[in-house]
Amino acid sequence: DIQMTQSPSSLSASVGDRVTITCRASQNINNYLNWYQQKPGKAPDLLIYAASTLHDGVPSRFSGSGSGSDFTLTITNLQPEDFATYYCQQSVSAPPYTFGPGTKVDV
Amino acid sequence: QLQLQESGPGLVKPSETLSLMCTVSGGSINKDYWTWIRQTPGKALEWIGYIFFTGGTYYNPSLKNRVTISLDPSKKKFSLKLTSVTTADTAIYYCARLTYLSGFSWFDPWGQGALVTVSS
Repeated sequence: DIQMTQSPSSLSASVGDRVTITCRASQNINNYLNWYQQKPGKAPDLLIYAASTLHDGVPSRFSGSGSGSDFTLTITNLQPEDFATYYCQQSVSAPPYTFGPGTKVDV
Repeated sequence: QLQLQESGPGLVKPSETLSLMCTVSGGSINKDYWTWIRQTPGKALEWIGYIFFTGGTYYNPSLKNRVTISLDPSKKKFSLKLTSVTTADTAIYYCARLTYLSGFSWFDPWGQGALVTVSS
């Protein structure tokens, strides 16, 4: 199975900050990479698919980039509702689908 | 707008079978892949398996011998059975739609989740 790692595991930020989260795959996954946002007590929500395509309704302050094995989720002008945990997930070698361990963004 | 809702017992005894149901509303179940994902107390997400609307299934090899996913299109429901559970199966269980498009795939939407605790 392809292993996914994320860094950092958590970070502290303030409203208005630019935040960058990194996801790395254990092998080349081209751009078969998705990002999800999970708020406490809620299910994950799809943010980005195919590494850089924003899901419907996702604010443009979110962006994704990368290809191969290294990917980045960037949030510009962090808003209060963006404090959450973010997961990456690969779909190139699937099934089985595998997720990263998550990055918690808090104050 | 497609919505999914999990239901089932919140407490299961060790060695018994965990059974959950997912009800689909606001859209058709006669397309796409329908999947189960779980999240352990440590927050790790694990894909369990999926069923295609035609009935074909694929399970995570790590759980393969214990998992069965089935579909009832007439009731717009699909279900999960996990046998011989242990405390390691304690998790929040989510149902979700798996969408394929141009070779890419993703999970959206997800149900709200059902907490299942394995304990005697």
